[in-house]
Amino acid sequence: EVQLVESGGGLVQPGGSLRLSCAASGFTFSSYWMHWVRQAPGKGLVWVSRINSDGSSTSYADSVKGRFTISRDNAKNTLYLQMNSLRAEDTAVYYCARPVARVWFDPWGQGTLVTVSS
Amino acid sequence: DIQMTQSPSSVSASVGDRVTITCRASQGISSWLAWYQQKPGKAPKLLIYAASSLQSGVPSRFSGSGSGTDFTLTISSLQPEDFATYYCQQANSFPHTFGQGTRLEIK
Repeated sequence: EVQLVESGGGLVQPGGSLRLSCAASGFTFSSYWMHWVRQAPGKGLVWVSRINSDGSSTSYADSVKGRFTISRDNAKNTLYLQMNSLRAEDTAVYYCARPVARVWFDPWGQGTLVTVSS
Repeated sequence: DIQMTQSPSSVSASVGDRVTITCRASQGISSWLAWYQQKPGKAPKLLIYAASSLQSGVPSRFSGSGSGTDFTLTISSLQPEDFATYYCQQANSFPHTFGQGTRLEIK
């Protein structure tokens, strides 16, 4: 069974940092691009970042560019999102997602909640 | 960025009803569109990709159509488990933007 399990969320003060992890299983992780998508409480879905299969190419939403860094460890089947200089507006559930045919997100992890507040 | 606009924002319907949700792109996206279903506290689930292709395991009462800028998701006969929020997503260009969501509620 294909499975994605996020971890690392929690409460952090504005300006702080957090690293999210996404453990993948049930598929050949090193063959897939991977994405992060977030959802603020009661709001819609917003794409955050993507990384290609070997980690050599990354992209970011303008709202997180320069503050967030996506990376992966194919030996550990794990995707990461390093989040620095966090702001209140970064408060959200963060999902990792595997794309089918590079663009359709399936499956998604269960999500991890990041709360930025003093 | 391509803007995706869904309508209606919410809809009330009864079990057995036929329901249609619309998604409009701010510029042409060919058939690069997906539909997702999200239930409260759960991750989104892929229903339809490439505008009209049914994802494996998704009931056939779900269907998608459209191309260019206008798309529809149709549920032919609502079941109790279909009450959820539905999102469209364009995959024509980055960033892959989502619609604001359509909440399907029980009447």
